Amino acid sequence: DQQVKQNSPSLSVQEGRISILNCDYTNSMFDYFLWYKKYPAEGPTFLISISSIKDKNEDGRFTVFLNKSAKHLSLHIVPSQPGDSAVYFCAASRTSSGSARQLTFGSGTQLTVLP
Amino acid sequence: DSGVTQTPKHLITATGQRVTLRCSPRSGDLSVYWYQQSLDQGLQFLIQYYNGEERAKGNILERFSAQQFPDLHSELNLSSLELGDSALYFCASSVAGQGYGYTFGSGTRLTVV
Repeated sequence: DQQVKQNSPSLSVQEGRISILNCDYTNSMFDYFLWYKKYPAEGPTFLISISSIKDKNEDGRFTVFLNKSAKHLSLHIVPSQPGDSAVYFCAASRTSSGSARQLTFGSGTQLTVLP
Repeated sequence: DSGVTQTPKHLITATGQRVTLRCSPRSGDLSVYWYQQSLDQGLQFLIQYYNGEERAKGNILERFSAQQFPDLHSELNLSSLELGDSALYFCASSVAGQGYGYTFGSGTRLTVV
């Protein structure tokens, strides 16, 4: 049962345009959401996050939007740059046993920014 | 360099064998997480340790086990290996166990032949 879904395995965007990466989740207990970026031969690196009490968080060129009623979040990158080409993972978190939390990841979207 | 060190980077072994993957967390981080990424799959949570104790288990097979030592490094043991165990294995660490903002290592690529 995939609780976090990224339905687009790949996305190509022209340099300077907006990239929009989407993510859907099924578990209403998730209360914290993150985006990670992964380059080949490296581990994922944290990009941006959002708490379920917010609907938008912005950090430079990156903005994450959360629509709790639709159980949907999206990552906007404006303007897109060739260095943004990477796999982007959506992740969600909730409190499980005790205070333990783990991240549940989607399958990733390969973003290619064309020069 | 993220500060999380995983060794070895690559491992090729035969079916039925046993291997050990090692992870040294970032300095000051008490919690270690292990994830598996198979081909075209997302990161599947395996197990979490916090300050030497198992904190949570995910989709970890019985053939797999892990531990976290007093110096906080962790080892993931994979035994009776099958072809389907071929994957990237990532270790991540965080200061506490809240699961916010993990720092990942660069992974160990395991190939079972």
